[in-house]
Amino acid sequence: EAGVTQFPSHSVIEKGQTVTLRCDPISGHDNLYWYRRVMGKEIKFLLHFVKESKQDESGMPNNRFLAERTGGTYSTLKVQPAELEDSGVYFCASSQDFGGNVYEQYFGPGTRLTVT
Amino acid sequence: QKEVEQNSGPLSVPEGAIASLNCTYSDRGSQSFFWYRQYSGKSPELIMSIYSNGDKEDGRFTAQLNKASQYVSLLIRDSQPSDSATYLCAVHGGSQGNLIFGKGTKLSVKP
Repeated sequence: EAGVTQFPSHSVIEKGQTVTLRCDPISGHDNLYWYRRVMGKEIKFLLHFVKESKQDESGMPNNRFLAERTGGTYSTLKVQPAELEDSGVYFCASSQDFGGNVYEQYFGPGTRLTVT
Repeated sequence: QKEVEQNSGPLSVPEGAIASLNCTYSDRGSQSFFWYRQYSGKSPELIMSIYSNGDKEDGRFTAQLNKASQYVSLLIRDSQPSDSATYLCAVHGGSQGNLIFGKGTKLSVKP
């Protein structure tokens, strides 16, 4: 079974540019999460999709971040315009859902974003 | 603000010894607890989950949970150099699906 995949693995962009990150969850996993780890800090939650619907986007830092999950399969996270503080590693995770309980979340390799 | 605290380390143990990693959490309503292992530059890898008070064993790993003390630990028996990594404690609780992570403990197993 293929794991969670993310693209690109690295992205270096200039302040003010736009970047789109992609995540393909494990097949059959309805739950998809985005997390971010900035240098020296813990991994922090950004948002949670159940199928194509946003279940919780309380961790999104501001309206420069837009996440989508059309068709309930892969997801994209767009940052527009990027700022220096957006630099970090963006992780995607997915999980099954049994009776509304959180199940184990499996993480992708992450996208390392550097904004210069 | 829900928090998960871990000693950042580094924790250094000799090969063959038991490594003990600890984690405390602030939200008393937390229900599910996870340990992830992360090698440098790699993704967090789920190695243990625990939902009930007590011990849960899986191979060389034992997770321990004490909800009254809001404390989770991970024991690694017969530590190997390949166990050298950062170990992340993650907690879920309440109605939302997201995990709350600690900063991680860096473990170094010396041959």
